[in-house]
Formats: sequence, C-alpha cells, structure tokens
Amino acid sequence: EAGVAQSPRYKIIEKRQSVAFWCNPISGHATLYWYQQILGQGPKLLIQFQNNGVVDDSQLPKDRFSAERLKGVDSTLKIQPAKLEDSAVYLCASSLRVNTEAFFGQGTRLTVV
Amino acid sequence: LAKTTQPISMDSYEGQEVNITCSHNNIATNDYITWYQQFPSQGPRFIIQGYKTKVTNEVASLFIPADRKSSTLSLPRVSLSDTAVYYCLVGERGSGGGADGLTFGKGTHLIIQP
Repeated sequence: EAGVAQSPRYKIIEKRQSVAFWCNPISGHATLYWYQQILGQGPKLLIQFQNNGVVDDSQLPKDRFSAERLKGVDSTLKIQPAKLEDSAVYLCASSLRVNTEAFFGQGTRLTVV
Repeated sequence: LAKTTQPISMDSYEGQEVNITCSHNNIATNDYITWYQQFPSQGPRFIIQGYKTKVTNEVASLFIPADRKSSTLSLPRVSLSDTAVYYCLVGERGSGGGADGLTFGKGTHLIIQP
C-alpha cells in the first residue's frame, strides 16, 4: 500500500517569498492533516480536512498560511509571505476517517533565509 | 485537551525492556491514550492506543492504572533501531488512533546503546 506522498522534500526560500507544499494522501482516506514541526519540538496541527471541508484550522496563521483540498483528495499548503520563523518540517497525514489511525508522510523541510 | 508530561530523554541498552511513563492528571472520561514513534527525518508513526488496563500488540504494551492519570509504554527487548522520539498523546477518539486535534508535546528521546 502506498503511503502519504509529499513534495518537495526540501525547500529553501528567502523571507517574504511564497512557497507551496503538496500532499497526496493514502487512497480512500477521507481525513487529511497538515502539521508544522519546528526543530526540537513535537508536531503542531495546522489544519484538518474531512473530505474537502475544513474541520479545524484554529492554529493556522491565516494571515499568511492557506490550505485547500479540492475534490477531497490531494492538498496544498501555501505560505505567503514567508518569515524566518516558518522554517520547519511540514508534515501531512491522512486517516481513513475521523478517529482512526493517522499515517504521516516524510514531510517537507522548509528553510527560510 | 489534557496536558501530558513525559521525560525529555532516556537511555538503555540493547536487549533490555524500556518503560516510558507519561503523566496526564487531567485526562477526561472520553479520552484515549495514544503513543507515536518518530525517527529522524520521518513523520510520526502510530504505536499503540489504550483506554484502561493493558493493551498489547506486536510492537509494545501499554499499561494504564485504574485512575488513568498516567500510562506506561513498555518496549520489550529493545534494539538500536528503537532509538527515536516517543510521544504520549491524550484526546478524544474512537477505537483507532487518529490524530484529530492531537497535541504533540516534546516527547521522550530514547537512545539505545549497544
């Protein structure tokens, strides 16, 4: 079974630039999550989708971050404009439905310089 | 959400049993306890989940006392490849182990030596 796919694996950008990350969840998984993991810390939930609807985006900095999940499958997370403190690993996870085991991708490591 | 407290780091040796304890004094009636494992440069991986007493799978055991204010993840006969960060999470969920609204703390850095 294919896992959660994320791209790119690494990205380096200058502050104030924009960047987008892509996630392809496990086939059939209705729930999709984006997490931000800063070095030395645990992952922090940014947004959770159920199919193509947002369930929880309470910790998403909406002035600069946006995410969408068109057609309830793939998802993109965008940062515009990026700040130095956005340097982190961005993890995508999916689960079959709410309250079932979540599977994580390898993440995208973002460095903002 | 119930806050969890776990040791920042632990070390042990190959072949030993490792027990990592997590404190969650404010656990709610509907909360489950879930443990995730994370290797460097990888996303977290679900290990085990429980509500009370003892749960065992092919990877680990989870011990939960009657008051549920703490839990202990037990890894039998660890190897070098068990070196990772282990996260204890508490939250409402069903019988699976979903990440819904989960708050990851800093976790426990487990280092296994030869």
